Amino acid sequence: EAGVAQSPRYKIIEKRQSVAFWCNPISGHATLYWYQQILGQGPKLLIQFQNNGVVDDSQLPKDRFSAERLKGVDSTLKIQPAKLEDSAVYLCASSGRPGQYSNTIYFGEGSWLTVV
Amino acid sequence: KNQVEQSPQSLIILEGKNCTLQCNYTVSPFSNLRWYKQDTGRGPVSLTIMTFSENTKSNGRYTATLDADTKQSSLHITASQLSDSASYICVVSADQAGTALIFGKGTTLSVSS
Repeated sequence: EAGVAQSPRYKIIEKRQSVAFWCNPISGHATLYWYQQILGQGPKLLIQFQNNGVVDDSQLPKDRFSAERLKGVDSTLKIQPAKLEDSAVYLCASSGRPGQYSNTIYFGEGSWLTVV
Repeated sequence: KNQVEQSPQSLIILEGKNCTLQCNYTVSPFSNLRWYKQDTGRGPVSLTIMTFSENTKSNGRYTATLDADTKQSSLHITASQLSDSASYICVVSADQAGTALIFGKGTTLSVSS
């Protein structure tokens, strides 16, 4: 079974530029998450989708971050304009059984962003 | 406030030794507790998931315990290997669907030869 795919793996941009990350979840998984992980910290949820609807985006800085999941499959996360503090790993994750008491959440390898 | 605290922050052990990582949480309601292993530069990989009624769960050399009364969990690693060097993250789910996850900051384990 293919895992969660993310691209690009690494990106270096200047502040005030824009960047987009792409995620392809495990086939059939209805729930998709984007997390931000700053070095030395645990992941922080940015947005959670259930199919193509948003379940939770309370911690998404909406003035600069946007995300979409068209057709309930792939998702993109965009940052515009980027700030130095956005330097982090952006993890995409998916799970397949919403409502299941102990469903496993699978993470991608992450997209490493450095803003200079 | 929902929080997950892990200790120690970092740990260095010799290959072949055992170690125990701690996780204390103040999350309500509680659905389940997960331990993840995150290798440097990789995404987290699930080790164990325990629900309220489970006290212990094993995955090879990894054994997780849960005391829902004291809101404490531990991850015990037996006969450590160099490949166990990683960050171990405790994650508590705060909803019935198991999707509202509260992450700890992780314990960084270094296994040396």
